Amino acid sequence: QVQLVQSGAEVKKPGSSVKVSCKASGGTFSSYAISWVRQAPGQGLEWMGGIIPIFGTANYAQKFQGRVTITADESTSTAYMELSSLRSEDTAVYYCARPSQKFTVTTVFDYWGQGTLVTVSS
Amino acid sequence: EIVMTQSPATLSVSPGERATLSCRASQSVSSNLAWYQQKPGQAPRLLIYGASTRATGIPARFSGSGSGTEFTLTISSLQSEDFAVYYCQQYNNWPPLTFGPGTKVDIK
Repeated sequence: QVQLVQSGAEVKKPGSSVKVSCKASGGTFSSYAISWVRQAPGQGLEWMGGIIPIFGTANYAQKFQGRVTITADESTSTAYMELSSLRSEDTAVYYCARPSQKFTVTTVFDYWGQGTLVTVSS
Repeated sequence: EIVMTQSPATLSVSPGERATLSCRASQSVSSNLAWYQQKPGQAPRLLIYGASTRATGIPARFSGSGSGTEFTLTISSLQSEDFAVYYCQQYNNWPPLTFGPGTKVDIK
């Protein structure tokens, strides 16, 4: 079955960057979009962007344009989300998520990683 | 950007009772609407997609309805494991994909 395993918790200083990984197993990695969704403490879910590895081009929410970079390495079945210019408001759990439908980002998320807590604090 | 709203913010229900949750979109999303359940410390779990289709393994007590801008998630008889936060998500217009703020279902 499909599993998404994320990297561990991070503590970062304001103004720095963080890179979170998401390793997929089970199924074909390249054909399925990986999206990143974040959740601030006690808050709702916020889609940041997504990528279909075989196509290589990521799409981002306008809110994060210029600050987030989503990439995928087909050789290791791993997706990455890098967020720069971190501020305290970026403190959140970051999830990777994948649909069961191929070749589209515009869909629902059947599979989720376990989440990675990123804390931004001076 | 399509804005999703949910009501109520909190719903207090007794076990065995019916729960009705609402989700509204700021413009039509056709039937491209999903519902997720999230428990504390866990990732969301997909319940419903296409406004009314249950995801794999989801019990029949969960049902979804609606189209356009108005949607409903109904839990016919609440079990103890159903107390959680529920989010709707539209995937008709993007970017971005957008979620509602959630409805917390707690024990009355």
